[in-house]
Amino acid sequence: DQQVKQNSPSLSVQEGRISILNCDYTNSMFDYFLWYKKYPAEGPTFLISISSIKDKNEDGRFTVFLNKSAKHLSLHIVPSQPGDSAVYFCAASETGGSYIPTFGRGTSLIVHP
Amino acid sequence: GAVVSQHPSRVICKSGTSVKIECRSLDFQATTMFWYRQFPKKSLMLMATSNEGSKATYEQGVEKDKFLINHASLTLSTLTVTSAHPEDSSFYICSARGEAGYNSPLHFGNGTRLTVT
Repeated sequence: DQQVKQNSPSLSVQEGRISILNCDYTNSMFDYFLWYKKYPAEGPTFLISISSIKDKNEDGRFTVFLNKSAKHLSLHIVPSQPGDSAVYFCAASETGGSYIPTFGRGTSLIVHP
Repeated sequence: GAVVSQHPSRVICKSGTSVKIECRSLDFQATTMFWYRQFPKKSLMLMATSNEGSKATYEQGVEKDKFLINHASLTLSTLTVTSAHPEDSSFYICSARGEAGYNSPLHFGNGTRLTVT
């Protein structure tokens, strides 16, 4: 039973446009959410996070939106650049629980020049 | 920022042999490290939580006698895949949490691609 779901295995976007990566979760106890970026043959690197007390967090070209009622979050990248091409993992954890994040299966983003 | 170093990056071994993977936190102390495994097109699956100075905590379905974890110091955790079989071929990634607290992001090593022939 997947508690964190990334239903789109891949996404293709043109350079300069917006990339929107989606993530859904089922565990209502999750209250901290993270996005990681992973290049082939490398470990994931932390990108951006959001706490459940917020509905938006922005860092440069990256913005994460959280809709708690829908148990849905999304990562927006604008403008998209070819160097953004990577696999993006959504992760969620429970403060007061194990704090260990549960990961989705990832979405492979390809940004075309 | 926090750096986690993992070695080797790639290893090929014969069936029945054992392989050791090292995970080091280079610029911080990590009382807890996490070992993940990634199958193709699958998410990162937590295998075990490595605790410095005590026994590792294994996730359900992970054989502790097959995947031996040792966390002898605050900067080093090792995962030994014992009597490896082809089905153990996978991408193994270690991670550690920075010193900023329980909800700080995990920092990952670059992973080890294990191929068992």
